[in-house]
Amino acid sequence: EIVMTQSPATLSVSPGERATLSCRASQTVTPNLAWYQQKPGQAPRLVIYGTSTRATGIPARFSGSGSGTEFTLTITSLQSEDFAVYYCQQYNDWPRTFGQGTKLEIK
Amino acid sequence: EVQLLESGGGLLQPGGSLRLSCAASGFTFSSYAMSWVRQAPDKGLEWLSAISGSGVATYYADSVEGRFTISRDNSKNTLYLQISSLRAEDTAIYYCARHGPLLSSVTTNWGQGTLVTVSS
Repeated sequence: EIVMTQSPATLSVSPGERATLSCRASQTVTPNLAWYQQKPGQAPRLVIYGTSTRATGIPARFSGSGSGTEFTLTITSLQSEDFAVYYCQQYNDWPRTFGQGTKLEIK
Repeated sequence: EVQLLESGGGLLQPGGSLRLSCAASGFTFSSYAMSWVRQAPDKGLEWLSAISGSGVATYYADSVEGRFTISRDNSKNTLYLQISSLRAEDTAIYYCARHGPLLSSVTTNWGQGTLVTVSS
């Protein structure tokens, strides 16, 4: 199975600043890489799919990039509602696999 | 509006079995593939299984194949997950999720989950 590795495990950033989250796949998954946001007590919410396409209702400060095995989620001008855990997932092959998550916390 | 409502969780004993349900509304259920994903307490997301809109194609994570069975009843707009030989490590919130139009699509909508606790 494809192993997804996210870094860092925890990222501390101040509101208004930029956050950069990384995701690495053990083999190429382009372009079938998604990012999900999960807040405490809530279900995951799709943020980015197809590596760089924002899901419905996701603000433009969220962007995804990458190819092959290396992917990045960038959030500019962090708002209070952006602090959450983010998971990457590959849907290029079965079984689908998630990264272990990056917790984005307020600095 | 897409709505997914899971049910069937609770406190169960090791070795037992259960069937989780996911009632879908707000879309043509039979036209969409569906998945189950779980999350153990304070842990990350684990994809478990997927099924095509017709129910013909199914996929499983290696960790659950043979013990978990995914199915659907398109006449009832309901997705199921049968779990046998329950173990303590099955304790988790179980989410159902809808794919895009194809089985190969990303999962776009999630239910709120149902909690399964396995303990004696």
